[in-house]
Amino acid sequence: LAKTTQPISMDSYEGQEVNITCSHNNIATNDYITWYQQFPSQGPRFIIQGYKTKVTNEVASLFIPADRKSSTLSLPRVSLSDTAVYYCLVVFNTDKLIFGTGTRLQVFP
Amino acid sequence: EAQVTQNPRYLITVTGKKLTVTCSQNMNHEYMSWYRQDPGLGLRQIYYSMNVEVTDKGDVPEGYKVSRKEKRNFPLILESPSPNQTSLYFCASRGGTSGLYEQYFGPGTRLTVT
Repeated sequence: LAKTTQPISMDSYEGQEVNITCSHNNIATNDYITWYQQFPSQGPRFIIQGYKTKVTNEVASLFIPADRKSSTLSLPRVSLSDTAVYYCLVVFNTDKLIFGTGTRLQVFP
Repeated sequence: EAQVTQNPRYLITVTGKKLTVTCSQNMNHEYMSWYRQDPGLGLRQIYYSMNVEVTDKGDVPEGYKVSRKEKRNFPLILESPSPNQTSLYFCASRGGTSGLYEQYFGPGTRLTVT
């Protein structure tokens, strides 16, 4: 069963762009890549989802290369309120969902 | 308001005393899941359900049971809780449209087993 790998933590400053990469070597053809955000003592919150190339919404962008073995979540101009744990989620053939280890993003003033 | 609710939010119990954590969603979602979250381990799926009377094991099902008798409810049952089941539990649901995996998570249940 494939696993996803993310950096354990990242630091940034307000106003900077943050890129978090997730590797998922065994992703299957029909699987999607999804990212979630989680604040302490709260349930995760959906951020963005994609299959290939680039997806953008009002919160973030998601970049997926052609081989789909990795993906990068891009947060433009982060603020203090973006301090959270970010999870990469790859959905496999069934509904058996596996979260990545999570990346703890700390944004400083 | 679209939401997933869990009860109780906090629970302290003793080893071996059966307990049930309820989960309910009001979005008519087909899929529901239970996760546990432990420091350093992230979120791990316990069980999931694709619809009424259809359930399957996630990554860490040992010591847990679930049932899906109604579409809106997906209770998590610990028949004989042990201290290693002390954790933060989340219920989640999502619609069944193929390719869309936006899950809605409940507020969490913090369980302590002594």
